[in-house]
Amino acid sequence: KQEVTQIPAALSVPEGENLVLNCSFTDSAIYNLQWFRQDPGKGLTSLLLIQSSQREQTSGRLNASLDKSSGRSTLYIAASQPGDSATYLCAAGGTSYGKLTFGQGTILTVHP
Amino acid sequence: GAGVSQSPSNKVTEKGKDVELRCDPISGHTALYWYRQSLGQGLEFLIYFQGNSAPDKSGLPSDRFSAERTGGSVSTLTIQRTQQEDSAVYLCASSLGVQGAGELFFGEGSRLTVL
Repeated sequence: KQEVTQIPAALSVPEGENLVLNCSFTDSAIYNLQWFRQDPGKGLTSLLLIQSSQREQTSGRLNASLDKSSGRSTLYIAASQPGDSATYLCAAGGTSYGKLTFGQGTILTVHP
Repeated sequence: GAGVSQSPSNKVTEKGKDVELRCDPISGHTALYWYRQSLGQGLEFLIYFQGNSAPDKSGLPSDRFSAERTGGSVSTLTIQRTQQEDSAVYLCASSLGVQGAGELFFGEGSRLTVL
């Protein structure tokens, strides 16, 4: 059974810092790895989707990497802003459809 | 519509009552998913629809839970004889449904509170 772990559980940084969120998964036989953002009381917003054949994806200030062999993914956020404050969720896709196993999330606070 | 729409956004019910939660996916998305988010369990997969068929319903917690999808569009999740442990946010997501599991788009969820 796939298990996804995210470290740290919470992170507080000053505005402008570069930061890394970590995600590990126990079963390397994944189809993809997705990163989501969740604001309080809201649904999930997809940030980046990395297919199993890819090593990384970039969108603006966000970069996500995937190392299947070691069962790890990282989300790098450059030049953090207060608007980046949210919960970031990592999810491993073990099927050819969207059945995802989620981590518990990292609560990020970026203070001015 | 522009995004995945869910209703109601909030539902408070008494233990033992039945509830229905509705999801309207993005137009043209053939795949639809229900997930549940609770404090103790995090986000859990419930069921997957491709068109009107549900090839994977392995995440439904008990036979009190059922879901259907009609016209390849709207889906309803029904919980019968609700229990307090059913209290959670029920999230619906849709995707294009092409092979390879594309990007999932989530609604804002239906928060269910069972008293």
